[in-house]
Amino acid sequence: GQNIDQPTEMTATEGAIVQINCTYQTSGFNGLFWYQQHAGEAPTFLSYNVLDGLEEKGRFSSFLSRSKGYSYLLLKELQMKDSASYLCAVMDSNYQLIWGAGTKLIIKP
Amino acid sequence: GAVVSQHPSWVICKSGTSVKIECRSLDFQATTMFWYRQFPKQSLMLMATSNEGSKATYEQGVEKDKFLINHASLTLSTLTVTSAHPEDSSFYICSAKDSRDNSPLHFGNGTRLTVT
Repeated sequence: GQNIDQPTEMTATEGAIVQINCTYQTSGFNGLFWYQQHAGEAPTFLSYNVLDGLEEKGRFSSFLSRSKGYSYLLLKELQMKDSASYLCAVMDSNYQLIWGAGTKLIIKP
Repeated sequence: GAVVSQHPSWVICKSGTSVKIECRSLDFQATTMFWYRQFPKQSLMLMATSNEGSKATYEQGVEKDKFLINHASLTLSTLTVTSAHPEDSSFYICSAKDSRDNSPLHFGNGTRLTVT
């Protein structure tokens, strides 16, 4: 079956760095997405990886290793507003998105 | 950037009535749109995949006669909750995929439905 695994919850300190991991097993692969979702709001797009390696975008970076079925989202210089759920999603061979359950990130001052 | 407009953002209706939610892609064509439902503190649950000009594909357990989906154009999909009941109260979110390959999925802002 298809499966996306990511930690349920993580806690980090304001100003620090946090890495949210995502492992996946899907039928085919057409890219991996990271989304941020604040409580009561719709998800917002953060990053898209289809090739191995690191994609950097400001304070956020996303890494992909297709051979390992693994990705991480790296958040630097954490701010209180980064407290949210972070969703990992993989697009399979049918171009359908398989979603992880999300990682709730709690930022403490 | 690409924008998906979802309307209304919140709606309260009486039990037994129907509610229509619209999802529009404002600056791109979306051959495929997705409808999700999300309960508090839970992840997104895909309800159906809507392809322009054809019938929607519903996920297992989602009643197609209750959640009517219409995707009549490349920029508009609608979800109608028919004969709404209090258990249908939820946060409904649409998303649209740009027709160009490997583009990200863009989400609407969601609709908070409360059935009294």
